[in-house]
Amino acid sequence: GDQVEQSPSALSLHEGTGSALRCNFTTTMRAVQWFQQNSRGSLINLFYLASGTKENGRLKSTFNSKESYSTLHIRDAQLEDSGTYFCAAEANYGNEKITFGAGTKLTIKP
Amino acid sequence: NAGVIQTPRHKVTGKGQEATLWCEPISGHSAVFWYRQTIVQGLEFLTYFRNQAPIDDSGMPKERFSAQMPNQSHSTLKIQSTQPQDSAVYLCASSLERGSETLYFGSGTRLTVL
Repeated sequence: GDQVEQSPSALSLHEGTGSALRCNFTTTMRAVQWFQQNSRGSLINLFYLASGTKENGRLKSTFNSKESYSTLHIRDAQLEDSGTYFCAAEANYGNEKITFGAGTKLTIKP
Repeated sequence: NAGVIQTPRHKVTGKGQEATLWCEPISGHSAVFWYRQTIVQGLEFLTYFRNQAPIDDSGMPKERFSAQMPNQSHSTLKIQSTQPQDSAVYLCASSLERGSETLYFGSGTRLTVL
């Protein structure tokens, strides 16, 4: 069954505001990655986390493997942040397959 | 470093024809992943190689899809007797090593089966 549940499916923000995206996992994951897919379809890796929190500019991500979730926080949103955000995770039982969530379509409005 | 290179960018085939998609991973990366993306199904895992060996092909439709990695510099995904439902963007990604699986994606091949 689906192991990676991503929410919300769509989100609209005004420039300068912020919000959080979330992924819940139905099994124990050993690591999570977050990607942005831009208007040209390119998937850009934002974060790789095996645990804890990482920050890069206006983005911050947390992975809590014990409670089986990960979040991606966006602050001071800019127009170029529009796109679809995906989380992807590898289960802890070792077959190395990396499963993607369904994505969050983020629209930034002026 | 040119990143992951996928060719062709677009491919149109007629129903029943064969399609071969190519992927060149980032030099030095030991793993290659193949995914398929459609609006309805999202990003679906197809198959995965580590050090050229197939590790997991649980996402591959069994009868018409096959993937190979004959050397460390390229992998191919072959679809025989293509059907309209095979239309999708096929994405290839590579990662450096076990324990550092940051995925780097190519630009994808958009396959259209008429």
